[in-house]
Amino acid sequence: GNSVTQMEGPVTLSEEAFLTINCTYTATGYPSLFWYVQYPGEGLQLLLKATKADDKGSNKGFEATYRKETTSFHLEKGSVQVSDSAVYFCALRVAGANSKLTFGKGITLSVRP
Amino acid sequence: GAVVSQHPSRVICKSGTSVKIECRSLDFQATTMFWYRQFPKKSLMLMATSNEGSKATYEQGVEKDKFLINHASLTLSTLTVTSAHPEDSSFYICSAPPLAGGLNEQFFGPGTRLTVL
Repeated sequence: GNSVTQMEGPVTLSEEAFLTINCTYTATGYPSLFWYVQYPGEGLQLLLKATKADDKGSNKGFEATYRKETTSFHLEKGSVQVSDSAVYFCALRVAGANSKLTFGKGITLSVRP
Repeated sequence: GAVVSQHPSRVICKSGTSVKIECRSLDFQATTMFWYRQFPKKSLMLMATSNEGSKATYEQGVEKDKFLINHASLTLSTLTVTSAHPEDSSFYICSAPPLAGGLNEQFFGPGTRLTVL
């Protein structure tokens, strides 16, 4: 089956620190990979995505590279801001626009000034 | 990007009553919508897949008679929590992939906070 494993949280960083959030997956077939972000009190928003091996998704200073050899899609940001405080979910989907997303457990990031 | 709305954004009800939550795709059509439940500090749990013009597909362990889903049109799906109890209190989120796919993306509603007293 399909599954997504995220590193355990929560994570607390100081502003301007480097961020890495690990995500690994198992999937039948060739998945597309996603990072979603949920700000306090809001719904999920797509942060970035990658649809094939070696693709790099990027948005708002965040990056993640689809690594087929290590089945990973780690999220990175060089310098976090207080406004990045949120819950981050790694997810995958296999085969077709209407197939369901499989989410990781999510990790809470808190950035202090 | 595409917009998905949910109504109401939050609802408080008494135990034993039923609550209807609407999910609308505002600027695109979707034959499929997904309903999730999110517990505090937990991931999203897929409850069911709503299919326009046919019955919803429920995930294992989800009571279909308790969580009634109706996908009335290509832009509207509703989730009705019947005879709600305090343990049904949660954050309910819907999502929809655009019918004209190719984007390989789902758009999420802002969620509905249900509190059952």
